[in-house]
Amino acid sequence: AQKITQTQPGMFVQEKEAVTLDCTYDTSDPSYGLFWYKQPSSGEMIFLIYQGSYDQQNATEGRYSLNFQKARKSANLVISASQLGDSAMYFCAMREVQTGANNLFFGTGTRLTVIP
Amino acid sequence: GAGVSQSPSNKVTEKGKDVELRCDPISGHTALYWYRQSLGQGLEFLIYFQGNSAPDKSGLPSDRFSAERTGGSVSTLTIQRTQQEDSAVYLCASSLESFSYEQYFGPGTRLTVT
Repeated sequence: AQKITQTQPGMFVQEKEAVTLDCTYDTSDPSYGLFWYKQPSSGEMIFLIYQGSYDQQNATEGRYSLNFQKARKSANLVISASQLGDSAMYFCAMREVQTGANNLFFGTGTRLTVIP
Repeated sequence: GAGVSQSPSNKVTEKGKDVELRCDPISGHTALYWYRQSLGQGLEFLIYFQGNSAPDKSGLPSDRFSAERTGGSVSTLTIQRTQQEDSAVYLCASSLESFSYEQYFGPGTRLTVT
């Protein structure tokens, strides 16, 4: 089974509007971390935001916020006031703490296009 | 400060040849990761180094793949007898420590096997 599922291969948003990128995850580890990365056309992976499984509040970083619904195992990324520079691939990832896995598990990504 | 660097940025090789990909992590970062990203896919974990501990090789797809990390810094990923399915972008990341939640990624090496 996939550990991270991103069901939106592509999304479009009007400049200055908000957009939600979906992510669901699957784990039996009670302790885990959820991440979102941005990958522009240059190829580098840029860390955006982190949510720990025991965090009581949703994470926010500037225009990025993570809508964490633990019971539904979802960790959607919300980008407010979209800018043209937000056009990129966005990857959701998870790290399991107690299983001892050292790596991040990534989804297949969502390509976001911001329309002027 | 300098980020994670990788070389070469692009590599084209013939099927059956060996290739070496290099990663220079951020100075002071003890954890180093290699991932592979095939076209249109997410990242696939390959190998992890933490300090002087034995590496976690659980993600290596075959025994043609190997990696070293010398002196706790620079890492080299070697692919022997390359196959066309090895064509991908190989990304290196480093973090301050194994449980640090932020991994810093390099720009990647695009490998094309013809």
